[in-house]
Amino acid sequence: DIHLTQAPSSLSAAVGDRVTITCRASQNINKYLNWYQQKPGKAPKLLIHSASNLQTGVPSRFSGSGSGADFTLTLSGLQPEDFASYYCQQSFTFPRTFGQGTKLEIK
Amino acid sequence: EVQLVESGGDLVEPGGSLRLSCTASGAPIRNYAMNWVRQAPGKGLEWISYINNSGKGTYYADSVKGRFTISRDNARNSLYLQMNSLRAGDTAMYYCVSSALAIVAKFDDWGQGTLVIVSS
Repeated sequence: DIHLTQAPSSLSAAVGDRVTITCRASQNINKYLNWYQQKPGKAPKLLIHSASNLQTGVPSRFSGSGSGADFTLTLSGLQPEDFASYYCQQSFTFPRTFGQGTKLEIK
Repeated sequence: EVQLVESGGDLVEPGGSLRLSCTASGAPIRNYAMNWVRQAPGKGLEWISYINNSGKGTYYADSVKGRFTISRDNARNSLYLQMNSLRAGDTAMYYCVSSALAIVAKFDDWGQGTLVIVSS
């Protein structure tokens, strides 16, 4: 199985800050990597697909990069509604796997 | 975009069975592969099963293989998950998730989830 390791597991930031979350795969997954946002009590929402493609309707302050085994989700100019948990997920092979998640909290 | 609504979650004793349903609207699900993803209380996301758009291809996570069965009825625009030999570790919110056909599969649309609690 492909293991995804996210870092950090949690972080605190202020409105307006720029934050970066990393996701490292246990093997090369090309660009088969997606990012999701989940708010408490809600279903996850797709943010970025294919490592760097912004899902329709997602604000441009979200961006993704990377390929191979190392990926990054960047949030530029944090807004109050961005404080949530974030997960990476690989679609290179079955079983599909998720990172353990990163909880972004308000400082 | 497809709207998904899960049902069937309940409190069940260990060793019991449960059948989850997911009804879609807004688009015919025959155009989508479908998945079940679960989340234990306070934990992360776990993909557990996939079925292709025709229903002839399925995959399972090792944690549920041999106990859970995914199926679909495209005529009814519905997805199902038959869960047998349930364990305490299966306690979770279960999400029905669609995947539009694409080079890089992704979890496009999610239902609101249905809660399964396995406890005596």
